[in-house]
Amino acid sequence: DAKTTQPPSMDCAEGRAANLPCNHSTISGNEYVYWYRQIHSQGPQYIIHGLKNNETNEMASLIITEDRKSSTLILPHATLRDTAVYYCIVSLKAAGNKLTFGGGTRVLVKP
Amino acid sequence: ETGVTQTPRHLVMGMTNKKSLKCEQHLGHNAMYWYKQSAKKPLELMFVYSLEERVENNSVPSRFSPECPNSSHLFLHLHTLQPEDSALYLCASSQSALAGGDNEQFFGPGTRLTVL
Repeated sequence: DAKTTQPPSMDCAEGRAANLPCNHSTISGNEYVYWYRQIHSQGPQYIIHGLKNNETNEMASLIITEDRKSSTLILPHATLRDTAVYYCIVSLKAAGNKLTFGGGTRVLVKP
Repeated sequence: ETGVTQTPRHLVMGMTNKKSLKCEQHLGHNAMYWYKQSAKKPLELMFVYSLEERVENNSVPSRFSPECPNSSHLFLHLHTLQPEDSALYLCASSQSALAGGDNEQFFGPGTRLTVL
């Protein structure tokens, strides 16, 4: 699986958009970009995933660059409950495939 | 019950004890996973079961023994653990792409294990 690079931490203001970057320059053509988050002492929570096109759901938007070497997770209106560690993972969409978690980005939403 | 449940939520055991962690998924998924999360370390994949067969064993010591009796249940049997095995143990499940899923994994709340 391709490796990802994320900033270790970032702060954002409550009510503002939070833009979380991720670099995955060695991603292969059939690998997807997945985003998860882990709120303190809880299990990770799936947020969104994509291959080439931008994706949006009720939680977030995922913007993938045309060369697929980087992506940005956008939380449109951050709330205090969005404080968590956010993980960007690239992985095949195969049966039983593993997710390799890195250190993620520790996001602190401030009032 | 919905989602992925794990029991017990907290467990304290001595190094000579034998205990088991239980995971149950109510999502109709066909793959299940055990992860370990030690303090200040990334999540580490331990085992993967797909269609009740173990497809991944990530160099886990034999004192950890997984069991997947059916697609809804996953156990982790523990014996003669060491204090450094103290961690949060997380179970997850997913539906494979072949079965119409996107392989996003749904995690349980975890079992906080302390080995004395």
